[in-house]
Amino acid sequence: AAGVIQSPRHLIKEKRETATLKCYPIPRHDTVYWYQQGPGQDPQFLISFYEKMQSDKGSIPDRFSAQQFSDYHSELNMSSLELGDSALYFCASSWTSGGSSYEQYFGPGTRLTVT
Amino acid sequence: GIQVEQSPPDLILQEGANSTLRCNFSDSVNNLQWFHQNPWGQLINLFYIPSGTKQNGRLSATTVATERYSLLYISSSQTTDSGVYFCAVEKGNFGNEKLTFGTGTRLTIIP
Repeated sequence: AAGVIQSPRHLIKEKRETATLKCYPIPRHDTVYWYQQGPGQDPQFLISFYEKMQSDKGSIPDRFSAQQFSDYHSELNMSSLELGDSALYFCASSWTSGGSSYEQYFGPGTRLTVT
Repeated sequence: GIQVEQSPPDLILQEGANSTLRCNFSDSVNNLQWFHQNPWGQLINLFYIPSGTKQNGRLSATTVATERYSLLYISSSQTTDSGVYFCAVEKGNFGNEKLTFGTGTRLTIIP
């Protein structure tokens, strides 16, 4: 079965650089979520999109932006990177119907290291 | 926001032992999921269980939504079961489907 695809899997950037993470949801899933997991922590919600519109927002820094495109893939753009942005970034997708979303499936994650 | 607590935080067991992991949540939820995060960081879906009981091989889970807790049972543990187990819940209001994770239970299985 198709799974959530994330690219790149690993990324090393220097402080103040920019990074773009990509996510390709499971086919026919209409909702995409982004989560950030710092070392030794649990995943924290950043932002979500339903049918290409932002649906919810968590503790996402203003330096980060995201969007969902017409083919439902999503990109997370991160600018002016800081050392504290080093983390594992997950994308998840689900199917939403009647105002309720169903099981979220997670991609393998992108490990971002900022030096 | 909703609070999710998991216990115990750490668990060390011999191979072949059984274990029970607990997840308590502070408010009514629409969905609840259990995940296993392996040593490579991947989050593996174990159960989607807003209520009731499910079983998958050596693993089973029970959610009692009215009492706001869920249990994950692992029987006949294997070394590959090592990792962190997360419970995550979702309130279910449209536009608010994000998962809120607990702090996890770190399970170590010793051969």
